[in-house]
Amino acid sequence: DTGVSQDPRHKITKRGQNVTFRCDPISEHNRLYWYRQTLGQGPEFLTYFQNEAQLEKSRLLSDRFSAERPKGSFSTLEIQRTEQGDSAMYLCASSLTRGGETEAFFGQGTRLTVV
Amino acid sequence: SQQGEEDPQALSIQEGENATMNCSYKTSINNLQWYRQNSGRGLVHLILIRSNEREKHSGRLRVTLDTSKKSSSLLITASRAADTASYFCATPASGSRLTFGEGTQLTVNP
Repeated sequence: DTGVSQDPRHKITKRGQNVTFRCDPISEHNRLYWYRQTLGQGPEFLTYFQNEAQLEKSRLLSDRFSAERPKGSFSTLEIQRTEQGDSAMYLCASSLTRGGETEAFFGQGTRLTVV
Repeated sequence: SQQGEEDPQALSIQEGENATMNCSYKTSINNLQWYRQNSGRGLVHLILIRSNEREKHSGRLRVTLDTSKKSSSLLITASRAADTASYFCATPASGSRLTFGEGTQLTVNP
């Protein structure tokens, strides 16, 4: 297993366009998380899935954001009608819950630039 | 919202010196984790310390946890240029999602 992979690594889009990012977690991990990180800040939680169920969404996740994890495997994060404020690094992580302790494995991230 | 706060925000040291970073958090936790992030990359898990532990070692890393003060520290001994990165503390919240601090940017000069 090569770890968590994200695609694309970089995305430049014009304001108003829709973008979709993909995350492939570590295969045996049942939980998948999306975070957003802006320059100089720590990652901020957006949403997470346990298997295919989306269990929690942050208030940061506006109506323009939607995430899916069909069949409990890979996940996609779509941003509709992008705005300049959406420019950030979008990080995906996966974990295998174990006795209340969770070590999250992160992908390399997708850097989104909205121009 | 950010639960943890790292201190200092930035730290510059010479190779071979020790680096100490501190983290404070607000709510009760059952563990605290430290992550490293190289510029423009994803985060790498370094170490997890449970709430009933006071100190933990992993190679050149030493982590302490003081639950009475809601604080933790990360010590990197004998630093190397390759240790240059941002370091974040993280605490688990509901659903095992992590709440991160703003990080300490460590620069190790050769």
